[in-house]
Amino acid sequence: KNEVEQSPQNLTAQEGEFITINCSYSVGISALHWLQQHPGGGIVSLFMLSSGKKKHGRLIATINIQEKHSSLHITASHPRDSAVYICAVSRETSGSRLTFGEGTQLTVNP
Amino acid sequence: DGGITQSPKYLFRKEGQNVTLSCEQNLNHDAMYWYRQDPGQGLRLIYYSQIVNDFQKGDIAEGYSVSREKKESFPLTVTSAQKNPTAFYLCASKTSRRGQGNQPQHFGDGTRLSIL
Repeated sequence: KNEVEQSPQNLTAQEGEFITINCSYSVGISALHWLQQHPGGGIVSLFMLSSGKKKHGRLIATINIQEKHSSLHITASHPRDSAVYICAVSRETSGSRLTFGEGTQLTVNP
Repeated sequence: DGGITQSPKYLFRKEGQNVTLSCEQNLNHDAMYWYRQDPGQGLRLIYYSQIVNDFQKGDIAEGYSVSREKKESFPLTVTSAQKNPTAFYLCASKTSRRGQGNQPQHFGDGTRLSIL
């Protein structure tokens, strides 16, 4: 079993829909990261959080430390949101190293 | 504009050849990382360096080598000993200065390596 599990693996939505991507982890962490990988391959960091909730534009990330679970929400989705979304954790015992989930491929159709 | 530059974007290698992937950053970051990405799998750590002239093996270091002679540069060599080198390679960097707490990693745009 992977230490970081994401669901779903693939997600197709219509423009305007509310989207949720889930991430569960099984290790102690110091922080959880949400990343976005564009079709060309480059990766952008969206959020880093260790508790509560963060919001940036139409993106919202939440984390429940007790349940070892995080969600990434996209409100009013748009075709330009189509990308792979990756959850990663900074483990308490491994310093700056990250452990990655397999990613969720999101496709938003017009 | 500060950032991470990986070159080339696409690279082809013949069997038995070594090939070096470039990674340069002008973010003044101390720590740098090399990851490999295969279809359907999460990123896996090859090597990382917390400071100049020092580096550590990651989870899949066999068949790879690195150097960190300058703060800005962290080249990765894929040697002929790497039996399945076809993959997407990503470089990242991060500040690791004390007092700055946990910071996100900044990623390059990647290099796609293929075997001819």
